[in-house]
Amino acid sequence: ETGVTQTPRHLVMGMTNKKSLKCEQHLGHNAMYWYKQSAKKPLELMFVYSLEERVENNSVPSRFSPECPNSSHLFLHLHTLQPEDSALYLCASSPQTSGSYEQFFGPGTRLTVL
Amino acid sequence: AQSVTQPDIHITVSEGASLELRCNYSYGATPYLFWYVQSPGQGLQLLLKYFSGDTLVQGIKGFEAEFKRSQSSFNLRKPSVHWSDAAEYFCAVATYNNNDMRFGAGTRLTVKP
Repeated sequence: ETGVTQTPRHLVMGMTNKKSLKCEQHLGHNAMYWYKQSAKKPLELMFVYSLEERVENNSVPSRFSPECPNSSHLFLHLHTLQPEDSALYLCASSPQTSGSYEQFFGPGTRLTVL
Repeated sequence: AQSVTQPDIHITVSEGASLELRCNYSYGATPYLFWYVQSPGQGLQLLLKYFSGDTLVQGIKGFEAEFKRSQSSFNLRKPSVHWSDAAEYFCAVATYNNNDMRFGAGTRLTVKP
């Protein structure tokens, strides 16, 4: 595997379910990101991790819970989601969190909340 | 806070025609500027970036972009579009010490045969 991978690629869940999204980067980067991509809206940064420590949380509801056990893996735990949470969730990584480094994106998880 | 505007939601061009996608940003200092492309079912791929120096930057797939400080713009261009260029294009802005890369809403490009 190379680059940034995300699993699952598609997920359908009910509002009472608990599920997790997984992201793995094989680039040796120190920073990882979760973004939400909704139709007709700009990408929204949700969480930023640097060296496994959360450095940014952009007012994301508590029903989204990130976890970064090491610099290669990032999870997004989901519980009691709402239909408006349906979106494409993108994971990205970069060498460091400085804006001078480009971010490398995974293919995303398409989430549908029923 | 920095922001990015992509005025065109959807553009259609004929194959072989030239292309220009517009991007305007709002930020006090010189930002770091990026163009990404997203094909259906895929993540974002970097086309090119501007940090400093020559204001005309070359990217992959034959794309280029020009940074114009006076107009706060970073427009993406390609002299001859190929059908495989049909995708969504995102302009983004970041700063050196800021984790928060801001993206525009995107421009969807359709290429007519």
